[in-house]
Amino acid sequence: GENVEQHPSTLSVQEGDSAVIKCTYSDSASNYFPWYKQELGKGPQLIIDIRSNVGEKKDQRIAVTLNKTAKHFSLHITETQPEDSAVYFCAASPVDRGSTLGRLYFGRGTQLTVWP
Amino acid sequence: DADVTQTPRNRITKTGKRIMLECSQTKGHDRMYWYRQDPGLGLRLIYYSFDVKDINKGEISDGYSVSRQAQAKFSLSLESAIPNQTALYFCATSDLRQGANTDTQYFGPGTRLTVL
Repeated sequence: GENVEQHPSTLSVQEGDSAVIKCTYSDSASNYFPWYKQELGKGPQLIIDIRSNVGEKKDQRIAVTLNKTAKHFSLHITETQPEDSAVYFCAASPVDRGSTLGRLYFGRGTQLTVWP
Repeated sequence: DADVTQTPRNRITKTGKRIMLECSQTKGHDRMYWYRQDPGLGLRLIYYSFDVKDINKGEISDGYSVSRQAQAKFSLSLESAIPNQTALYFCATSDLRQGANTDTQYFGPGTRLTVL
């Protein structure tokens, strides 16, 4: 099955700085890559996603880049704010494969702390 | 997401006891999932169901069983709980209907289970 690795496991930044979280995946059949944010005491929530026919996607302060050749994708948060502090998970999905359609394979998570 | 509810939110039990965690959704989604979250290990898939008659094992199904009582309800059971099943458990849903985003998963608030 798919194997997703995520780095770093913890990340501390000063408010206003940028934060970058990187993930790699193993299955070339994966073509959907979502990012989830989990705040303390809550379930993960989708914040941005990207499909394999796109190299970059941006939504306000958040952007995701995808390099299918190298099998890696990254989350970029600019102008970080204390409310960005949370655990972030990347995931990969082999969308076109039979019974695994829609199944997500998650990275281990990154604890982001933004200091005021 | 308030559309996906989990009960109980917290549970402390003893080794050997049978435990059932319940998940209900009002989103009308056909797919439901059970995940386990442990510190540093991310989200691991226990079982998933594409519809009421379709149940599939995830990567860590040993020691667990599930029941899809209706489209809106998906229960996870631990027949004989053991301490290493102490974890945070999440239910999630997604939508396979044509035209819908088949990949976004919507998570419940989680159940914190402690097995003594």
